Amino acid sequence: QVQLVESGGGVVQPGRSLRLSCAASGFTFSYYGMHWVRQAPGKGLEWVAGIWDDGSNEDYADSVKGRFTISRENSKNTLSLQMNTLRAEDTAVYYCVRFRELGGGHYGMDVWGQGTTVTVSS
Amino acid sequence: DVQMTQSPSSLSASVGDRVTITCRAGQSISNYLNWYQQKPGKAPKLLIYAASSLQRGVPSRFSGSGSGTDFTLTINSLQPEDFATYYCQHSYSTPWTFGQGTKVEIK
Repeated sequence: QVQLVESGGGVVQPGRSLRLSCAASGFTFSYYGMHWVRQAPGKGLEWVAGIWDDGSNEDYADSVKGRFTISRENSKNTLSLQMNTLRAEDTAVYYCVRFRELGGGHYGMDVWGQGTTVTVSS
Repeated sequence: DVQMTQSPSSLSASVGDRVTITCRAGQSISNYLNWYQQKPGKAPKLLIYAASSLQRGVPSRFSGSGSGTDFTLTINSLQPEDFATYYCQHSYSTPWTFGQGTKVEIK
């Protein structure tokens, strides 16, 4: 079945780095844009970053631009998020998300992983 | 950036009620509007895209409407499994902003 499985979360000190990974299965990974969305404890959803199906273009939220890098390896069906210079406000559950064209040029986040928790604390 | 504002932030309703949630965009986004449902401890689930199109497998008691800046999610005959938090999100341009969420609680 279609599945996204995140890994790499944990507790990290402010200013340090962490790399998240997402393993995709059950669909042709290289056909889809992929995104990361996060949710701070008790808060709403925040889009973090996205990458095109072929990896040729990336977009970032202003809150992470210059610190986070999204990448993908289509041959391994893997999406990654390199997070540098982490801050307390980056503490959240991070979801790997498939971005799909649903019809008529409309896109939506139709498959979500279970999330991986990142805690930034000294 | 397009800002998304939902109202109310929470509501209480009973099984069988009709529930309406509103989402307003800070600028016109045509019908580039999606709705998601999130239950506690779970990942969000896509319910509606293009403002009014039901995602495959979503019950027909869910419906969406609107265009431009004002949008509505309606749940007809609320069921026990519908108690959750609902988010709107625009797909007009990056950044893909979400509304702050509306929590639907049991009265």
